[in-house]
Amino acid sequence: AQKVTQAQTEISVVEKEDVTLDCVYETRDTTYYLFWYKQPPSGELVFLIRRNSFDEQNEISGRYSWNFQKSTSSFNFTITASQVVDSAVYFCALSGNAGNNRKLIWGLGTSLAVNP
Amino acid sequence: DSGVTQTPKHLITATGQRVTLRCSPRSGDLSVYWYQQSLDQGLQFLIQYYNGEERAKGNILERFSAQQFPDLHSELNLSSLELGDSALYFCASSERDQGQHTQYFGPGTRLTVL
Repeated sequence: AQKVTQAQTEISVVEKEDVTLDCVYETRDTTYYLFWYKQPPSGELVFLIRRNSFDEQNEISGRYSWNFQKSTSSFNFTITASQVVDSAVYFCALSGNAGNNRKLIWGLGTSLAVNP
Repeated sequence: DSGVTQTPKHLITATGQRVTLRCSPRSGDLSVYWYQQSLDQGLQFLIQYYNGEERAKGNILERFSAQQFPDLHSELNLSSLELGDSALYFCASSERDQGQHTQYFGPGTRLTVL
């Protein structure tokens, strides 16, 4: 069965601190996809990144970076120099490629509070 | 703005009633997914449609049903509502039905059952 674990329920930091959100996944699929979504206080789910299982290259987008390690089944998300606008709940999700695995399996989310 | 629209934004109703939630996918997307977000269960997949056909089903209650119409919009019908059905219901769409296609989410419909 597929599973996503986000062990950190809540994180609180002061503006300009770096923060890493952890995500550990379980799957028996050889091809799978990992995602991060952001849910700000307004409630919508905003797509941040998708990573394919066969591409372990890390990615940086502005202040955001993602570290994908198949050996530890982890897909961690780092925000550098955090800002108040980064305050949100962040979800890690996993999907397979066939059958019922096409759906997104979600972690429980990490609530990030960035204080001024 | 993801390009996925959902109506209504908020819905307040009573136990035992029936409601219909509506979703229009992004232009060009053929696949529609429905998810439920509640405080106790988190985000749960309900059902997926691709080009009008049901493709995958999650833990969707028998009281719930959905369909995707020829114009690709989708509706989620919830009947015999219970207090526990109060939740945020999201629709998402993707280009195709394989897992590598990113799902883009609508703003959600917040359902309150009193």
